[in-house]
Amino acid sequence: DGGITQSPKYLFRKEGQNVTLSCEQNLNHDAMYWYRQDPGQGLRLIYYSQIVNDFQKGDIAEGYSVSREKKESFPLTVTSAQKNPTAFYLCASSTGRQAMNYGYTFGSGTRLTVV
Amino acid sequence: AQTVTQSQPEMSVQEAETVTLSCTYDTSENNYYLFWYKQPPSRQMILVIRQEAYKQQNATENRFSVNFQKAAKSFSLKISDSQLGDTAMYFCAFMKHDFPQAGTALIFGKGTTLSVSS
Repeated sequence: DGGITQSPKYLFRKEGQNVTLSCEQNLNHDAMYWYRQDPGQGLRLIYYSQIVNDFQKGDIAEGYSVSREKKESFPLTVTSAQKNPTAFYLCASSTGRQAMNYGYTFGSGTRLTVV
Repeated sequence: AQTVTQSQPEMSVQEAETVTLSCTYDTSENNYYLFWYKQPPSRQMILVIRQEAYKQQNATENRFSVNFQKAAKSFSLKISDSQLGDTAMYFCAFMKHDFPQAGTALIFGKGTTLSVSS
């Protein structure tokens, strides 16, 4: 079945460490997105990519980095520069027409906790 | 820049009753799309309903319907005959019409937590 896989489901990071969240899709979607969800804040856009080897910053990109070397994969690295990384992270994908008709397809999320 | 505002952080309703969740947005675009997403305790995002701005008719999906007022920039969600399974966080979201661009960002409100009790 086609879909988006985020791994791991739970992730613990020590302060000062970088950590990478995985997002893989087999939907043949061109665009992929990363959102951060905090209580009372809704979903805020971190980065998005419309095509391989290209990506744009969202509203809260500071302290994060991404790559898009393959169409299927859009990993997110949370760097030590991110001051408050504890949050729930959601990955999503879409095509142009599918996005208008159905919005995005979302992964099941990764809960990152700094210990 | 577009913004989406949900003014009700929490709401509660009894089973079988009707509840309306509010959403307002701000944009200078004339052509766009609006969505309501549901996030149950599993945290999986589920599309509930969608509305195209150039269609005046309000969208309906079974027990879910919207009241879309373009001039007022309002997009409320009505849930009829509420069920325990409707308990979730509900997000209103905006997308500008940018086809055929693949990566048009969804802008979300802060969400409304709905609790349905028996």
